[in-house]
Amino acid sequence: EAEVAQSPRYKITEKSQAVAFWCDPISGHATLYWYRQILGQGPELLVQFQDESVVDDSQLPKDRFSAERLKGVDSTLKIQPAELGDSAMYLCASSHRGLITADTQYFGPGTRLTVL
Amino acid sequence: DQQVKQNSPSLSVQEGRISILNCDYTNSMFDYFLWYKKYPAEGPTFLISISSIKDKNEDGRFTVFLNKSAKHLSLHIVPSQPGDSAVYFCAASVTGNQFYFGTGTSLTVIP
Repeated sequence: EAEVAQSPRYKITEKSQAVAFWCDPISGHATLYWYRQILGQGPELLVQFQDESVVDDSQLPKDRFSAERLKGVDSTLKIQPAELGDSAMYLCASSHRGLITADTQYFGPGTRLTVL
Repeated sequence: DQQVKQNSPSLSVQEGRISILNCDYTNSMFDYFLWYKKYPAEGPTFLISISSIKDKNEDGRFTVFLNKSAKHLSLHIVPSQPGDSAVYFCAASVTGNQFYFGTGTSLTVIP
């Protein structure tokens, strides 16, 4: 069964350092999402891509976060510099179409970030 | 402002009985709803979905009910099994737009 891949699974960093997370969506899925989940809360959307284009990054803290999906396949989310409040689970999800029809999102295992 | 709410943070049920997890939403434009199950240190796993043109969708032991007038949906699991113990999230969207997630309900099925 096809899965969304993410790496690393766990990342510990010191504040003010740079971190990067990688996501490989299910093959053929045009839409890719990055979410942040703080303990005890539901996932919150950071950025949504349709192919290589950003369609929604309204919740992305752009002073320190950036995301790219250059070839419309895999994606990288970067934080620079990391702050203590960035400690969370970062989840990647993908869906087949997303924009036109209702479509299920499939999640990867997530990256657990701890900022010290 | 939380557009999707799960007001019960936790639920305990005896094995074999029915588990009912509830979810309320505020945006009447939402037309697609999902339930996810999440184990610790893993990503959410898709369980079942429902479109606003339906009021019920069933898949094995899982049934989702949608009451559009009350802006309420529920997930029924019957019979409940110990392996169902996890955190359950509901999510809602306007087709083609972002999903909004509830805060989750932690289900414990007692053997």
